[in-house]
Amino acid sequence: DTAVSQTPKYLVTQMGNDKSIKCEQNLGHDTMYWYKQDSKKFLKIMFSYNNKELIINETVPNRFSPKSPDKAHLNLHINSLELGDSAVYFCASSQDSEAVLQETQYFGPGTRLLVL
Amino acid sequence: AQTVTQSQPEMSVQEAETVTLSCTYDTSESDYYLFWYKQPPSRQMILVIRQEAYKQQNATENRFSVNFQKAAKSFSLKISDSQLGDAAMYFCAYRRNSGGSNYKLTFGKGTLLTVNP
Repeated sequence: DTAVSQTPKYLVTQMGNDKSIKCEQNLGHDTMYWYKQDSKKFLKIMFSYNNKELIINETVPNRFSPKSPDKAHLNLHINSLELGDSAVYFCASSQDSEAVLQETQYFGPGTRLLVL
Repeated sequence: AQTVTQSQPEMSVQEAETVTLSCTYDTSESDYYLFWYKQPPSRQMILVIRQEAYKQQNATENRFSVNFQKAAKSFSLKISDSQLGDAAMYFCAYRRNSGGSNYKLTFGKGTLLTVNP
């Protein structure tokens, strides 16, 4: 039943490791996003994919690599994790085609990443 | 670039009372959407209400309503008959609606609302 799901919900890891967060939506949307929420609760866009094509890349270090195998999935891989990567990462989706524009973005439950 | 400002880091309200959360934004565009999202301690982002810029009528959703002043670029959220479950971080967000496909949300820094019994 979950519209936008993320796995894992919690991720604790050591500096220098590589980790992935997965996101799936069953809403039939064509656009997916990754947002980062820092320790001060500030939310900022990282990436956006529309129909598996990268649309937005907001000055994110290239250690972060999104991958969209299909419209329903957008995964986030992080290489060489750093302390500053500790945050909550949210996936979201919306329908952004010209024909059917649904402006509301629906968010997943978030993944809390802690880098030690 | 668009910016969203929430000038109240924290607010408190008594249960059953009314509270208004402020939000201002800066944009050169005329076609856009504005949103209020709620984030309770569970950290789930929940849509509270949305407003299309081209609509003059203020949006309402049950106990939640907005005061949208387009010329002043102001978008405040009013919560009536506050309930304990309304306690959360509230984020104001902006999304352009013109051509292209860059429909990211730009968020304010949030207002932490406490509801006192």
